[in-house]
Amino acid sequence: QVQLVESGGGLVKPGESLRLSCAASGFTFSDYFMSWIRQAPGKGLEWVAHISSVDDTIHYADSVRGRFTISRDNVKNSLFLQMNSLRAEDTAVYYCARTIKTYYFDYWGQGALVTVSS
Amino acid sequence: EILMTQSPTTLSVSPGERATLSCRASQSVSNNLAWYQQKAGQPPRLLIYDAFTRATGIPARFSGSGSGAEFTLTISSLQSEDSAVYFCQQYWNWPPRRTFGQGTRVEIK
Repeated sequence: QVQLVESGGGLVKPGESLRLSCAASGFTFSDYFMSWIRQAPGKGLEWVAHISSVDDTIHYADSVRGRFTISRDNVKNSLFLQMNSLRAEDTAVYYCARTIKTYYFDYWGQGALVTVSS
Repeated sequence: EILMTQSPTTLSVSPGERATLSCRASQSVSNNLAWYQQKAGQPPRLLIYDAFTRATGIPARFSGSGSGAEFTLTISSLQSEDSAVYFCQQYWNWPPRRTFGQGTRVEIK
């Protein structure tokens, strides 16, 4: 069965960096787009970024462009999110999700909590 | 950016009754719309894509309808396990800026 397991969350200060990872199993990882989606505490869902199966298509939300970088390793079946210059408003649970083309998200991980606070 | 607006914010329905959730887009998204269910402490689960196609394993009591800018998720006979927040999401625009509605909380009376 499809499994997505995020790791790397934690507490950081404003301006610091953090790298999230997502380990995928149960499907052919290299066949799929992958995305990061976040959810601030008690709030709704915000799409952050997605990456195509072979890295040639990447898009970011305006709120993170220039600060966050999405990448993947198809050999290790892993997705990453490098987050730099973190702000308090980046505090959220970050989900990795298998993505159908660039369209919708058919499987989600359990999420990794990122807290940005001084 | 395409804004998605859901109504009502909270819906209280008795078991066995019908629940009707609405989602409106700020412009037409054709039928490029998905619905998700999120239970407390869990990640979202895909229910419906392409406005009306049920995802794998989703019970037949969940149905989606609509096109353009107006969409509806119907739970035909509410079960206790359907208590959750439901989100709609569009995937129409290019370059892709995927946006979600703010959610409708469904409570069991």
